[in-house]
Amino acid sequence: QVQLVQSGPEVKKPGASVKVSCKASGYTFTNYIITWVRQAPGQGLEWMGWISAYNGNTNYAQNFQDRVTLTRDTSTSTAYMEVRSLRSDDTAVYYCARDSQSWGQKLVFDVWGQGTLVTVSS
Amino acid sequence: EIALTQSPGTLSLSPGERATLSCRASQGVSSRYLAWYQQKPGQAPRLLIYDASSRATGIPDRFSGSGSGTDFTLTISRLEPEDFAVYYCQQYGSSPLTFGQGTKVEIK
Repeated sequence: QVQLVQSGPEVKKPGASVKVSCKASGYTFTNYIITWVRQAPGQGLEWMGWISAYNGNTNYAQNFQDRVTLTRDTSTSTAYMEVRSLRSDDTAVYYCARDSQSWGQKLVFDVWGQGTLVTVSS
Repeated sequence: EIALTQSPGTLSLSPGERATLSCRASQGVSSRYLAWYQQKPGQAPRLLIYDASSRATGIPDRFSGSGSGTDFTLTISRLEPEDFAVYYCQQYGSSPLTFGQGTKVEIK
């Protein structure tokens, strides 16, 4: 079945970096955009950016464009999100999700990973 | 950036009742590019509605969406026990993508 499986929880100190992976299966990875959304504890959803799995093109939310890098590895059907210079307010669950439209840019997300909790604490 | 404001913050209803959730945009959402998601505790969001009124695959017909411009509504015709959750709207008509702050539907 179509699924996205993310890497496990992380605990990092302020100023460190974290890289979260999102492995796709059950569909042709390069046909879709992958987006990243985060959710701070008890809060709502915040869009971070998206990457085309086909050509690696990216689009970042302004709040994240200086500290976040989205990449992908087509040989392993895996997308990655790296956040640098972590702060305590980066503590959140980070989700990857797949665009609902192949070969397009609908930016509605029908398949989600299980989420990865990143805790930033000294 | 288009800000989305959802109301009410919390809706207290009983199973079998009708739920009406509102999502208001700070400016018009082009082409009715608005989606609704459901999220239960400890789970990822689940796509319910896209293009303001189209149900996603496998979504029961008790869920319906309507609206255009700046005012959108998600209606759950008869609440089932599994429908008690938080609901988010999302606009994708312009970048950056934005979400509403959520409406919690709780059991009365």
